[in-house]
Amino acid sequence: GENVEQHPSTLSVQEGDSAVIKCTYSDSASNYFPWYKQELGKGPQLIIDIRSNVGEKKDQRIAVTLNKTAKHFSLHITETQPEDSAVYFCAAPSGTASKLTFGTGTRLQVTL
Amino acid sequence: DADVTQTPRNRITKTGKRIMLECSQTKGHDRMYWYRQDPGLGLQLIYYSFDVKDINKGEISDGYSVSRQAQAKFSLSLESAIPNQTALYFCATSDSRTGPQETQYFGPGTRLLVL
Repeated sequence: GENVEQHPSTLSVQEGDSAVIKCTYSDSASNYFPWYKQELGKGPQLIIDIRSNVGEKKDQRIAVTLNKTAKHFSLHITETQPEDSAVYFCAAPSGTASKLTFGTGTRLQVTL
Repeated sequence: DADVTQTPRNRITKTGKRIMLECSQTKGHDRMYWYRQDPGLGLQLIYYSFDVKDINKGEISDGYSVSRQAQAKFSLSLESAIPNQTALYFCATSDSRTGPQETQYFGPGTRLLVL
């Protein structure tokens, strides 16, 4: 099955700085890579995803890049704000696309 | 997501007790999942169901069972709870009609403590 590794486990940045979270996956057939954000006391929520036919996708201050050759993908958050503080999970398909293998999560703290 | 509800939100139980966690959804999705979250381990899939008559084991199904009573309801049972089942449990749903790469929508979670 799929194996997803995520780094770092914790990340602290100052407000306005950028944050980068990296994930690697093992199954070269994987073609869909979502990122979920989990705020305190809530369930994870999809914030952005990327399919294997593109190398980068942006949505306002959030972007995801994909390197299929190296089998890694990254989440980039620019101009971080306090409300970006949360736990972020990357994921990749495990078998069928409906099944996901999640990374171990990154706790992002944005300090004032 | 308010469309996916979990009950109870918090539960304390004792070793050996049988407990049930319930999940309901009003999204009309056909696929439902149960995950377990432990610090540093991310989200691990316990069971999943692609339809009312379909039940599949996930990565860590030992010690758990599930029931898909209707398209909108998916229950997780711990037949004889043990302390290492203390964790945060999430239910999620997805819609196969938007697939094959459909988004999963998570409930607010149930925090379980087994003494």
